[in-house]
Amino acid sequence: NAGVMQNPRHLVRRRGQEARLRCSPMKGHSHVYWYRQLPEEGLKFMVYLQKENIIDESGMPKERFSAEFPKEGPSILRIQQVVRGDSAAYFCASSPLRQPLNNEQFFGPGTRLTVL
Amino acid sequence: ILNVEQSPQSLHVQEGDSTNFTCSFPSSNFYALHWYRWETAKSPEALFVMTLNGDEKKKGRISATLNTKEGYSYLYIKGSQPEDSATYLCAPLYNTDKLIFGTGTRLQVFP
Repeated sequence: NAGVMQNPRHLVRRRGQEARLRCSPMKGHSHVYWYRQLPEEGLKFMVYLQKENIIDESGMPKERFSAEFPKEGPSILRIQQVVRGDSAAYFCASSPLRQPLNNEQFFGPGTRLTVL
Repeated sequence: ILNVEQSPQSLHVQEGDSTNFTCSFPSSNFYALHWYRWETAKSPEALFVMTLNGDEKKKGRISATLNTKEGYSYLYIKGSQPEDSATYLCAPLYNTDKLIFGTGTRLQVFP
């Protein structure tokens, strides 16, 4: 059973370009969470999605950031017109059931985004 | 804004030493506490999920306790080994769907 997969592992973009980060949850998991780790900071929640639904996006910046989890395929975190401050590690986690049923979240290896 | 504090920020111990760290969190509307272990260049890995006041969980040489009334949890490592070197994160869960992560305790165990 493959774990949570994220790609690419490293992504370099110039200011103004778009970044697309992909997350494939563990098999059988229908809940996906995205977190961001800025340099020298901890993991910060961004968004929680189920298939075709955004459940909680309270941690997402209001502009330029969007997320989706379509019926088929991976979850995508999209950052438009990237700026240097978007440089961070972006982690995805998945769980089989909805919180707060106390299920642990399984994390992917992260995508490290560098904006030049 | 919910404030989750972990102390100490970093810890250096000798192999064989036992150690413990603290996670403090607001206790209102608390639902569960997650502990994760995060090795450099790897993904965070779940250690424990605890819900009840007085809960105590153990996995090998690592154990954790929970006090929901006062809002804290302790993580203990008995007889630390170099492979225990990692960042240990706690994350309380409230009546929402998101984990609120602390900044972690970085443990380094020297042989």
